[in-house]
Amino acid sequence: EIVMTQSPATLSVSPGERATLSCRASQSVSSNFAWYQQKPGQAPRLLIYGASTRAAGIPARFSGSGSGTEFTLTISSLQSEDFAVYYCQQYSNWPLTFGGGTKVEIK
Amino acid sequence: EVQLLETGGGLVQPGGSLRLSCAASGFTFSTYAMTWVRQAPGKGLEWVSSISSSGGGATHAESVKGRFTISRDNSKNTLFLQMNSLRAEDTAVYYCAQSATGWWFFDYWGQGTLVTVSS
Repeated sequence: EIVMTQSPATLSVSPGERATLSCRASQSVSSNFAWYQQKPGQAPRLLIYGASTRAAGIPARFSGSGSGTEFTLTISSLQSEDFAVYYCQQYSNWPLTFGGGTKVEIK
Repeated sequence: EVQLLETGGGLVQPGGSLRLSCAASGFTFSTYAMTWVRQAPGKGLEWVSSISSSGGGATHAESVKGRFTISRDNSKNTLFLQMNSLRAEDTAVYYCAQSATGWWFFDYWGQGTLVTVSS
């Protein structure tokens, strides 16, 4: 099983600042990698797939990078609606696995 | 507009059974693979089961293998999860999700249904 490790667990950021979230895979997943956003009481929402392709309707301030085992989600200028938990997921191998999440909170 | 509506959750005793349903609309259901993902209270996301568009292929997480069965009825645009021999650790919100064409990430998610296993 590929283990996905996200860091940090919690990120405190002021509105308007840049946020950088990381995810590491225990073995290479190539670019078979996605990011999701989840707000309290809501289902996850797809942000990024293929490591760097924004999903439909996702603002340009969200960007993804990386391949292999190291991935990054960058939010260029945090808006109030971006405070949430973010999960990474690999879809290179079965079982599909998610990271433990990074909570982005208001500083 | 894609809509996924899960039903069938509730309180069940350990060892009991439940059948979850996910009614799909707004897309051609029979052409998309589908997946169940769960989230225990206050915890992260866990993949449970996936099924191909035709229903001919399915796979389950080790934690539920032999107890849960995913299936679908393409004539009724509905996905199912039969859950038997339920355990306390199966307590979670269960989401159905549409898999992107040819890939196993998830474009659309339902709102989830809560399953509580407790005596």
